[in-house]
Formats: sequence, C-alpha cells, structure tokens
Amino acid sequence: AQSVTQPDIHITVSEGASLELRCNYSYGATPYLFWYVQSPGQGLQLLLKYFSGDTLVQGIKGFEAEFKRSQSSFNLRKPSVHWSDAAEYFCAVAPYGQNFVFGPGTRLSVLP
Amino acid sequence: DTGVSQDPRHKITKRGQNVTFRCDPISEHNRLYWYRQTLGQGPEFLTYFQNEAQLEKSRLLSDRFSAERPKGSFSTLEIQRTEQGDSAMYLCASSPRDANYGYTFGSGTRLTVV
Repeated sequence: AQSVTQPDIHITVSEGASLELRCNYSYGATPYLFWYVQSPGQGLQLLLKYFSGDTLVQGIKGFEAEFKRSQSSFNLRKPSVHWSDAAEYFCAVAPYGQNFVFGPGTRLSVLP
Repeated sequence: DTGVSQDPRHKITKRGQNVTFRCDPISEHNRLYWYRQTLGQGPEFLTYFQNEAQLEKSRLLSDRFSAERPKGSFSTLEIQRTEQGDSAMYLCASSPRDANYGYTFGSGTRLTVV
C-alpha cells in the first residue's frame, strides 16, 4: 500500500544544534515530495519541494532536504536550529496526477 | 493579503447540528482542496475541485459530508448531523492548475462537537 512514514513522533534539540527529520515513502515510482511546517493553531506552510534533478533541495528558513531513491527517503535538515523552528513538520508526497498524502508529522521542540 | 481564507476559525456545535465552513482560495488558483486533521495526525484528504467541478469525493468520510464550489471561486464544506468524532481541524488549500507545485493552505477551521 502507498504510505508515508515519519518515524520520529517528537524530537527535542538544543538551540544552535543541527536537525534531521526523517521521511520515508512507499510508492511504485518516485512521487513529488514536499515538506510542510505547521505552527500551533495555524495552517501548513510549504518549506521545500522536490520534483526531479538535483537531489539536494534548498527551502525557506534555512532548511534543506535530500532525496535518496535507494532508500525511498526525503529527510529534512537544518544546520543550526532556532527557537522559532519549534513546530510540527509534515512530509508529503504527491504521486503524479494524484492528491497529496501526508505523513503523521514530527513535533520539534527546541531547548534554549 | 491574497492567501487562502477560511471562516470561521473556530466552531463549537452540539451533536446532531449541521455546520458549514467556507473557504476562499487564492483568486488565480483553480484547484481547491479540503483536508481534515485530527490531533497528532497529518492532514487527511477529503475532496477537491477544479473550478466548479468536484473531481474526487470518494474520500469524504460519510454521506453526512458534502462540499460545493458553485461558481468556481469560494467553496463550502457542510457536515450534517454532527458527531463527536467529527471534532477536528478542517483545512482548505488551493493550487494552480498543476497541484504538484504545492498547495497553499488556509489557517483552518477548528470544529468542536459537544
């Protein structure tokens, strides 16, 4: 079955530390891949997206993600986390021509 | 501001009542989507429109749920005979013709059924 998994429900990092949020998908072909961020009580904001080409994509707020076809992964990274990055992060896939499917999300807490 | 607007932000209703939510998409986007998000979960697809045509509605949770986009602009999502299990955040998103460029989401309507 088609699915998106985010293995980490909750991650806590110290401000200034590096961050990696994991995302794995299960589809027959490489879908389009996205990361969204959601602050409490808010809608979702697009951080970055991957369609094809360079497997390392840059997004807003200093985030980047790397697509690894062999691992069916699209992990989100940031070299130095800021307190304002505390939020819920969702990986999403869009099999070509179909609607988005979201992962369950990873909640990020940032320690001062 | 030309983002996606949703109204109301919060709705508290008694079980058995009908509720209707409104979504105003970005004006140049012809696709509009409805998602439901329960606590601790990712958004779950419900339905979407291309202009005024509802192209996918099989994911609507039951026949108590219906959506319209009569003139291809704003959309409404109605839930009839609400149940406590309907309590959730209802998110609307819009996109240009090709949805794979990413959705723009509204801030959502939080429904609480008491």
